Amino acid sequence: KNQVEQSPQSLIILEGKNCTLQCNYTVSPFSNLRWYKQDTGRGPVSLTIMTFSENTKSNGRYTATLDADTKQSSLHITASQLSDSASYICVVTLTGGGNKLTFGTGTQLKVEL
Amino acid sequence: KAGVTQTPRYLIKTRGQQVTLSCSPISGHRSVSWYQQTPGQGLQFLFEYFSETQRNKGNFPGRFSGRQFSNSRSEMNVSTLELGDSALYLCASSTGTGINNEQFFGPGTRLTVL
Repeated sequence: KNQVEQSPQSLIILEGKNCTLQCNYTVSPFSNLRWYKQDTGRGPVSLTIMTFSENTKSNGRYTATLDADTKQSSLHITASQLSDSASYICVVTLTGGGNKLTFGTGTQLKVEL
Repeated sequence: KAGVTQTPRYLIKTRGQQVTLSCSPISGHRSVSWYQQTPGQGLQFLFEYFSETQRNKGNFPGRFSGRQFSNSRSEMNVSTLELGDSALYLCASSTGTGINNEQFFGPGTRLTVL
């Protein structure tokens, strides 16, 4: 069964600190890996998208890395802000799957003062 | 450009009823995908439409169906509602079905089945 697992399930950090979220996947073969941010009650918003040949992709304070050999990805958030409080979802696209995405269960991040 | 819009935003139904949800994609986008999000299962792919044709389908029973119109607007229908169908239903649009096309999500429709 194709799976995308994320850790930790939830995380609380202080404003200004950095954090790293993890994603392990068994989806194969895969075309790309995406990270989404979902605020409570809203639809997910794309942060980064990486093909299997890319190792890193940045979007402002968000940096995603990908190791296709170990099938691991991470999302690093630098200098966290209160507005970073959200669920972060790792998503993998199957090769030949069109827009059929396989989602992780997400990491719930809370940034506190 | 206006984003993806979904109507209604909230819906309460009872078991056995049917429901129709609507999605208007971003102007110019021809692909529309539907997802179900529940606390236990997370986000799960329902189906994808492109140019009025279903291109991909997830592992959901036949009670879940959809369609796309010539203007790319899409509807999904759930018949004979069950308590377990309570979820946030998200629609996403993209310019095409390419694997690297970015998907833009709507705010979702919160369905509660009593």
